[in-house]
Amino acid sequence: AAGVIQSPRHLIKEKRETATLKCYPIPRHDTVYWYQQGPGQDPQFLISFYEKMQSDKGSIPDRFSAQQFSDYHSELNMSSLELGDSALYFCASSSTYNNTGELFFGEGSRLTVL
Amino acid sequence: AQKVTQAQTEISVVEKEDVTLDCVYETRDTTYYLFWYKQPPSGELVFLIRRNSFDEQNEISGRYSWNFQKSTSSFNFTITASQVVDSAVYFCALSAPNSGYSTLTFGKGTMLLVSP
Repeated sequence: AAGVIQSPRHLIKEKRETATLKCYPIPRHDTVYWYQQGPGQDPQFLISFYEKMQSDKGSIPDRFSAQQFSDYHSELNMSSLELGDSALYFCASSSTYNNTGELFFGEGSRLTVL
Repeated sequence: AQKVTQAQTEISVVEKEDVTLDCVYETRDTTYYLFWYKQPPSGELVFLIRRNSFDEQNEISGRYSWNFQKSTSSFNFTITASQVVDSAVYFCALSAPNSGYSTLTFGKGTMLLVSP
């Protein structure tokens, strides 16, 4: 079965640069979530989208923005990168029509800021 | 507000020992879901179990078992006869779906080290 696809899997950037992470949800899933997991931390919710509209917002910095496109894929844009942005970024998807409460996670994108 | 507490930050056991990972949660919602995820050193989040708030039956899957007690707001996870491959960080998580979509709240995780 198709899973959540994230790209790139690994990304290295310099301070003050910009990075974009992409997420392709499971087919027919209408909701996408972004989580950030710092070293030794638990995943922290950043933002979610339902039917291309922002549905919930967590601890997402103002330097970050995200959107969901008409094909339901989502992109997380991070600007003016800081060392503290180095983390594992997870995307997850779910379906409101078959809502079991479960989020299906991708394998994560590891961002390293030097 | 939702909260998940995993009081054990790190547990070390020797192979074949049984180990229980504790999870206590807080929510005002009457309908909610509880999860356990395993995160091996490679980093991916591996789904282990989902339990909804109306199902208090304990569950066993191979060497894994879960004890859900609504009266104490706990959802503990036991690994029987632990193996080295069980070494990972384990996260307990909670979601209370509103309007169809769910945001997961994670506990801080428990790192399990199983030595040979």
